[in-house]
Amino acid sequence: DADVTQTPRNRITKTGKRIMLECSQTKGHDRMYWYRQDPGLGLRLIYYSFDVKDINKGEISDGYSVSRQAQAKFSLSLESAIPNQTALYFCATSDWKGPQYFGPGTRLTVL
Amino acid sequence: QKEVEQDPGPLSVPEGAIVSLNCTYSNSAFQYFMWYRQYSRKGPELLMYTYSSGNKEDGRFTAQVDKSSKYISLFIRDSQPSDSATYLCAMSAETSYDKVIFGPGTSLSVIP
Repeated sequence: DADVTQTPRNRITKTGKRIMLECSQTKGHDRMYWYRQDPGLGLRLIYYSFDVKDINKGEISDGYSVSRQAQAKFSLSLESAIPNQTALYFCATSDWKGPQYFGPGTRLTVL
Repeated sequence: QKEVEQDPGPLSVPEGAIVSLNCTYSNSAFQYFMWYRQYSRKGPELLMYTYSSGNKEDGRFTAQVDKSSKYISLFIRDSQPSDSATYLCAMSAETSYDKVIFGPGTSLSVIP
């Protein structure tokens, strides 16, 4: 089984809808991250969490919110989706001394 | 100027060739360097990570860091069609790999 899983893998939604992307990990890492990837722009950090009680904004947090339900679970919400939030979304995890490991991604389309 | 620059390619090479993928950066505080491989519609997969300057080898892959020139490279020997992917460089100034800055990626095709 994959160490980092994301659900759903693909999602099409309409402008104004609320949507939640979920991430789970079995690596035992404390730190979890949400990124979005756009062509030509690379990976950009949305939010990150060092533990269950710690949430931090990243480079592009506007329009997004997160919840760290447990050490192994970190969800990303779009409260009111807009078309320019169409992108690939990746969850990643790390421990305090190592690099980040990524999930398989969610392809989100906002119509 | 972007913090991390990477030629987007596409780079096309014949099978068996030596491939050189490169990134330049502007922040002299970066000291942790990583290379990720990303297949189409998949998540980035960590290939190699290294601290400070020097070389690190893992099978057909060699990562090289030149901090004086703010330049890192990934070499792939005996390239295979399965190496066809996008390669992302990444780097961090923090002691714990957080706040990682990613390059936009280089698309590589290895032709049989």
